[in-house]
Amino acid sequence: AQSVAQPEDQVNVAEGNPLTVKCTYSVSGNPYLFWYVQYPNRGLQFLLKYITGDNLVKGSYGFEAEFNKSQTSFHLKKPSALVSDSALYFCAVRDPPGNRKLIWGLGTSLAVNP
Amino acid sequence: NAGVTQTPKFRILKIGQSMTLQCTQDMNHNYMYWYRQDPGMGLKLIYYSVGAGITDKGEVPNGYNVSRSTTEDFPLRLELAAPSQTSVYFCASSYVDRGQPQHFGDGTRLSIL
Repeated sequence: AQSVAQPEDQVNVAEGNPLTVKCTYSVSGNPYLFWYVQYPNRGLQFLLKYITGDNLVKGSYGFEAEFNKSQTSFHLKKPSALVSDSALYFCAVRDPPGNRKLIWGLGTSLAVNP
Repeated sequence: NAGVTQTPKFRILKIGQSMTLQCTQDMNHNYMYWYRQDPGMGLKLIYYSVGAGITDKGEVPNGYNVSRSTTEDFPLRLELAAPSQTSVYFCASSYVDRGQPQHFGDGTRLSIL
């Protein structure tokens, strides 16, 4: 069955330190992978995606993500965390074969401490 | 750019009442979606539509109905509100191209008492 896992419910990091939010997936075929961020009382906002090509993709607000096919992972990273990065982060993958829907992870709450 | 607009932002219903959550998008997206978000449970797909006149069930369709008479609008109907439907509801839309992301509204916070 197709699935997305975010193994950490919460990640805590000090401001200025690098951050990683983990995501692994299980889908048939080539995955179309997405990261979204949700700030309090707001809808989800698209951060970045992997479709094909370079395994390191860059997105909004200084975030990047590394696609690893052998480990079926798509971890979100940022070299230097900001307090304003504190939010809920969701990983998602397109649901083959029709690709009409997204399969969502349960989300990871990121807290960046000053 | 308005994007995806949801109304109302907040609503309190009594058990058994009905209401319609409105969603409209101005990006000419063919695909539209309704999700509910409960704490710690991520997003659950209620219904989706791939174009005007075409709708399909998601993971948790029971207790809800939808219609899609135009490309822009995708209302969600609750006929007999139950406490289990207390949630935050999000509408989203996207282009047909599977590489394109979904765009979300800011949600409707619904409490059923």
